[in-house]
Amino acid sequence: QSALTQPASVSGSPGQSITISCTGTSSDVGSYNLVSWYQQHPGKAPKLMIYEGSKRPSGVSNRFSGSKSGNTASLTISGLQAEDEADYYCCSYAGSHVVFGGGTKLTVL
Amino acid sequence: EVQLVESGGGLVQPGRSLRLSCTASGFTFGDYAMSWVRQAPGKGLEWVGFIRSKAYGGTTEYAASVKGRFTISRDDSKSIAYLQMNSLKTEDTAVYYCTRDLGWELPGDFDYWGQGTLVTVSS
Repeated sequence: QSALTQPASVSGSPGQSITISCTGTSSDVGSYNLVSWYQQHPGKAPKLMIYEGSKRPSGVSNRFSGSKSGNTASLTISGLQAEDEADYYCCSYAGSHVVFGGGTKLTVL
Repeated sequence: EVQLVESGGGLVQPGRSLRLSCTASGFTFGDYAMSWVRQAPGKGLEWVGFIRSKAYGGTTEYAASVKGRFTISRDDSKSIAYLQMNSLKTEDTAVYYCTRDLGWELPGDFDYWGQGTLVTVSS
């Protein structure tokens, strides 16, 4: 049950767009449209930002979008804001179990 | 308003047992699957396990790291999900989160999270 691969850190300036990648295998990301993304601020519980690859829960800004190509899923945040600075985790169903990425720390410069 | 409140965490010795509870409110608990996710201090998220609603058999799935040691159950009459943890190891030390799962049969979309409860396994 290997973790999905995410970059350890990404950064961007306010107003810019950034993309966080999440690379899995044909046994998880590549096989199921069940990729989700979570935002976690320090000391807080994670928050669902994207589910089923590209769907946004009610209340989540449309600046957040998700996509998938082959074994790699991506989270794009447009119009970066200071409050977007947080850790981001991807997650995928992997056939009877679930696997998370190692997390990406987003710094807003 | 959907709320999930975990309880039961604390300090426990290696090899001992602990049971966590997750009390839900603000939604029809019995209609949803529930998952447990943990986070070791300073580390990333790790899925622990999942229980389907009774409509989907109430069956469970577990991560390989806890299979055979941990058991998830639910009491729909009380809107509580449980995580029974046996044969605890030091590497089970983590904040344990209860989550509501959007997936009826397949886990992985956790739309609501509790505040977490810390379990420390140490002698």
